[in-house]
Amino acid sequence: AQSVTQLDSQVPVFEEAPVELRCNYSSSVSVYLFWYVQYPNQGLQLLLKYLSGSTLVKGINGFEAEFNKSQTSFHLRKPSVHISDTAEYFCAVTPNTGFQKLVFGTGTRLLVSP
Amino acid sequence: DAGVIQSPRHEVTEMGQEVTLRCKPISGHNSLFWYRQTMMRGLELLIYFNNNVPIDDSGMPEDRFSAKMPNASFSTLKIQPSEPRDSAVYFCASRGDREKPGNTIYFGEGSWLTVV
Repeated sequence: AQSVTQLDSQVPVFEEAPVELRCNYSSSVSVYLFWYVQYPNQGLQLLLKYLSGSTLVKGINGFEAEFNKSQTSFHLRKPSVHISDTAEYFCAVTPNTGFQKLVFGTGTRLLVSP
Repeated sequence: DAGVIQSPRHEVTEMGQEVTLRCKPISGHNSLFWYRQTMMRGLELLIYFNNNVPIDDSGMPEDRFSAKMPNASFSTLKIQPSEPRDSAVYFCASRGDREKPGNTIYFGEGSWLTVV
């Protein structure tokens, strides 16, 4: 079985500052990794995903994430955040073969203030 | 293109009443998922279907919950009888192509259920 750990439940940051949201996963098989964002009162939207190839993945809204197999991590970064980035961010994992469900972490709330 | 469509968006009901949540997946998608989101438990997968067949319902909390997918364009999640602890946001999501777990899962905007 797979599991995802998002250690930070909330990350406060000032506008235009860089941010990193941490994600670690556990799996006995190779996986695909995802980051989703949930804006207030909305559903989840895909930010980016890692399937294979380059370990640095770029997504929408200036976000990027780096897959580190040895550390079983997939941290999300943005060099300069905006007020509009205030949202809940979810890391998720699924095995890369077969028909498997997507397992989500508990989420990290990013709070961007002026 | 229309995304995943859920109804109702908001529902307030009294304990003991039956609740039916509806979902229309993205056209052409053959996998459908029902998730529940609460502050205490986060995002939980309740059940998922592939080609209208339930594949894994191990996340369904108890017999009060049931889900159906009578055709490729419609699914329901029913709670009968409802209880206050069922209050949550229920998300429907869909994905295309069974053999590609890397394909993106697309979420609806959720049904916000409050049981009083």
